[in-house]
Amino acid sequence: QKEVEQNSGPLSVPEGAIASLNCTYSDRGSQSFFWYRQYSGKSPELIMFIYSNGDKEDGRFTAQLNKASQYVSLLIRDSQPSDSATYLCAVRPSGTYKYIFGTGTRLKVLA
Amino acid sequence: DAGVIQSPRHEVTEMGQEVTLRCKPISGHNSLFWYRQTMMRGLELLIYFNNNVPIDDSGMPEDRFSAKMPNASFSTLKIQPSEPRDSAVYFCASQTGENEKLFFGSGTQLSVL
Repeated sequence: QKEVEQNSGPLSVPEGAIASLNCTYSDRGSQSFFWYRQYSGKSPELIMFIYSNGDKEDGRFTAQLNKASQYVSLLIRDSQPSDSATYLCAVRPSGTYKYIFGTGTRLKVLA
Repeated sequence: DAGVIQSPRHEVTEMGQEVTLRCKPISGHNSLFWYRQTMMRGLELLIYFNNNVPIDDSGMPEDRFSAKMPNASFSTLKIQPSEPRDSAVYFCASQTGENEKLFFGSGTQLSVL
């Protein structure tokens, strides 16, 4: 079992729809969870982080964390073509400095 | 703030040659990470430095890989000898001790022929 798993996609959604990206992790003791966006040929950039169970909203983005089920998700409301990118889930297990990344989900927002 | 600076942006070399990748972290950041990204394996952590000291190099694939951080503003990742399977994008990232946000450099696209 991989430490952090994501569906590679591509996930295609029409412009204006909600995009839902999911991630599961294996270390039950993990405490910190991150979503990075990576445009083709560019470096990853942090868009959201979440530490506690529940939802965290920032503009059109909402991160959801369920530690009991060991999954974290990212919702993008009112998806725009400019949101088309690969979204990387990262987990920091407790007591470590390491950030374990999933292989990413490619999102396509269709105009 | 210029961000994390990596050089070169692209490197094409032949199998068996030595390759040196360079990284300048953001001033004041005390943690530095080297990652390798491939389609199949995603982002893999190679080595982590804290206050210029290598803390964990368990992700370094084999003895052909080595990394140094002689001071707070410079780090190198060296591959000697290089092999075609080393072809990947290599990212350097830095971080302060006060938050968990990783700042990535632009990466080095390495192609070993």
